[in-house]
Amino acid sequence: DAGVIQSPRHEVTEMGQEVTLRCKPISGHDYLFWYRQTMMRGLELLIYFNNNVPIDDSGMPEDRFSAKMPNASFSTLKIQPSEPRDSAVYFCASSLGSEKLFFGSGTQLSVL
Amino acid sequence: GENVEQHPSTLSVQEGDSAVIKCTYSDSASNYFPWYKQELGKGPQLIIDIRSNVGEKKDQRIAVTLNKTAKHFSLHITETQPEDSAVYFCAASRAAGKSTFGDGTTLTVKP
Repeated sequence: DAGVIQSPRHEVTEMGQEVTLRCKPISGHDYLFWYRQTMMRGLELLIYFNNNVPIDDSGMPEDRFSAKMPNASFSTLKIQPSEPRDSAVYFCASSLGSEKLFFGSGTQLSVL
Repeated sequence: GENVEQHPSTLSVQEGDSAVIKCTYSDSASNYFPWYKQELGKGPQLIIDIRSNVGEKKDQRIAVTLNKTAKHFSLHITETQPEDSAVYFCAASRAAGKSTFGDGTTLTVKP
């Protein structure tokens, strides 16, 4: 298996623009997690899905953030409009059951 | 919610020495405690985990211990090598729940 695949690897955008991050989980995994990593706040859970259904989105910073999982093999995290404080590395992870997480390589987002 | 504290934030050891990283958790219902290793430019990777019904688990040079009463668990790396240099994260979770991560420990192994 290729593991969790995230795209793009790097994204540079200007404040106010819409940003869409993509994730393909490992086939057969039933949980999908979106994390954000910064030096100041460490690894923060934004939202997670079980069988494509959002279970807990309490970590989503504000209404500018939204996430979808239209099917078992694809998820998106959208930021609209983006702000400089959204600059971070965004990780997608998947698991069979909710325990052993497999992380993607992350998307480095820079909002200028 | 769960709160996980991790110490130390940085750790420097000589190659061949042992390294110990400690974590405490607050939610007594947490029953699964994984450790992840993150190398530069990569996502965290699971290296070892332990469940609340086990006190210790070993995998070659890596071991994890759990004290449920005190709500703390530790990662032990013996005979450290330069390739062990990375950021290590502990985490705690309940069954079918989300993992709460510690803030990470940057381990540097000097040749």
